[in-house]
Amino acid sequence: DVKVTQSSRYLVKRTGEKVFLECVQDMDHENMFWYRQDPGLGLRLIYFSYDVKMKEKGDIPEGYSVSREKKERFSLILESASTNQTSMYLCASSPRDTFYNEQFFGPGTRLTVL
Amino acid sequence: AQKITQTQPGMFVQEKEAVTLDCTYDTSDPSYGLFWYKQPSSGEMIFLIYQGSYDQQNATEGRYSLNFQKARKSANLVISASQLGDSAMYFCAMREGRDSWGKFQFGAGTQVVVTP
Repeated sequence: DVKVTQSSRYLVKRTGEKVFLECVQDMDHENMFWYRQDPGLGLRLIYFSYDVKMKEKGDIPEGYSVSREKKERFSLILESASTNQTSMYLCASSPRDTFYNEQFFGPGTRLTVL
Repeated sequence: AQKITQTQPGMFVQEKEAVTLDCTYDTSDPSYGLFWYKQPSSGEMIFLIYQGSYDQQNATEGRYSLNFQKARKSANLVISASQLGDSAMYFCAMREGRDSWGKFQFGAGTQVVVTP
């Protein structure tokens, strides 16, 4: 069964802390994505990666960075967490070349920054 | 500019009835794909159905069908014979052909509550 896993379902951090969200996929997908989901705004793309060590900014990259050292793993980093980063974070992956393929999502991490 | 618009923030539907969820999109790319996802309260995103811009027939998957009206740029999801387990948030998404990275644009979602 294909899978995208995320390191935590729930996370509570304090303002100013450095936060790491980990995502691992076992489908050998080239593309990986990080989204945040907020009520009324849907899913917004933070960063994506199309290959190891490659990354591109999405629509809302400010306050975030990413790391992709291995094909299966894509990390989202909040360098100094702020309360406005309280949100649901979703990781997804997809193969590169098939246009009709859906993105496969992890279970999400609900982050609260106090 | 918003590329995917879902105008219904929420709706109630009775069990066994059909429900239509609206989705309009905006693109000048002749090649694109449209996707619908379901997100139950547990949070995971479940892929439901796909429609390609060149597909001649409307997509169907079990109780899900997509009413694709290309000229109107709409891709409405129809759920037939609603079940209590259909209560969830539903998202419409689009991938444009010119985007070689496979990025999706998502709508704001529609919350569906199925009542007995």
